[in-house]
Amino acid sequence: GIQVEQSPPDLILQEGANSTLRCNFSDSVNNLQWFHQNPWGQLINLFYIPSGTKQNGRLSATTVATERYSLLYISSSQTTDSGVYFCASWDSNYQLIWGAGTKLIIKP
Amino acid sequence: DVKVTQSSRYLVKRTGEKVFLECVQDMDHENMFWYRQDPGLGLRLIYFSYDVKMKEKGDIPEGYSVSREKKERFSLILESASTNQTSMYLCASSYPPGQLQETQYFGPGTRLLVL
Repeated sequence: GIQVEQSPPDLILQEGANSTLRCNFSDSVNNLQWFHQNPWGQLINLFYIPSGTKQNGRLSATTVATERYSLLYISSSQTTDSGVYFCASWDSNYQLIWGAGTKLIIKP
Repeated sequence: DVKVTQSSRYLVKRTGEKVFLECVQDMDHENMFWYRQDPGLGLRLIYFSYDVKMKEKGDIPEGYSVSREKKERFSLILESASTNQTSMYLCASSYPPGQLQETQYFGPGTRLLVL
């Protein structure tokens, strides 16, 4: 089955810094997604990005499906970007397979 | 905006109690999910439902049951709560894969403490 690995597991940055989070997946996927969970537990979808590049404000994501990885870029980090970032993909049983997450702490 | 609500944000129960966690979504989604999230273990799927009165076991169904009598509501039941069920419980809903907006929408979570 599909396996999803994220790196780094933890990241601590100063406000204003840029960051790159990586998601590797073990099998060909066409429905890679990125989520953010804030410190209070709310999970929201950031990007649905099976391939190519998308941008939303200071965040952008790129998926290279043929090489089985996706990257999430955060520019000019703010303290509100803190939380855990997950990537996930649907498997053939219509379940989301989740990575373990990258915990991001942005210091003021 | 999609809204997924959960009946409680925080819940404290005693060992052996029957616990009901309720989830309601307003997007007419076919699919609904229950996860638990524990430090270091990520999100683990307990049960999901792809239609009214239908349910499928996820990765960790033991000790849990579910009920979906109406499309918008999906309940998670702990028949006899145990301390190892202390966790954050997250509900989600989505359209079936293959349709637009193939993502899950999450509720705010319920932090359950079993004493």
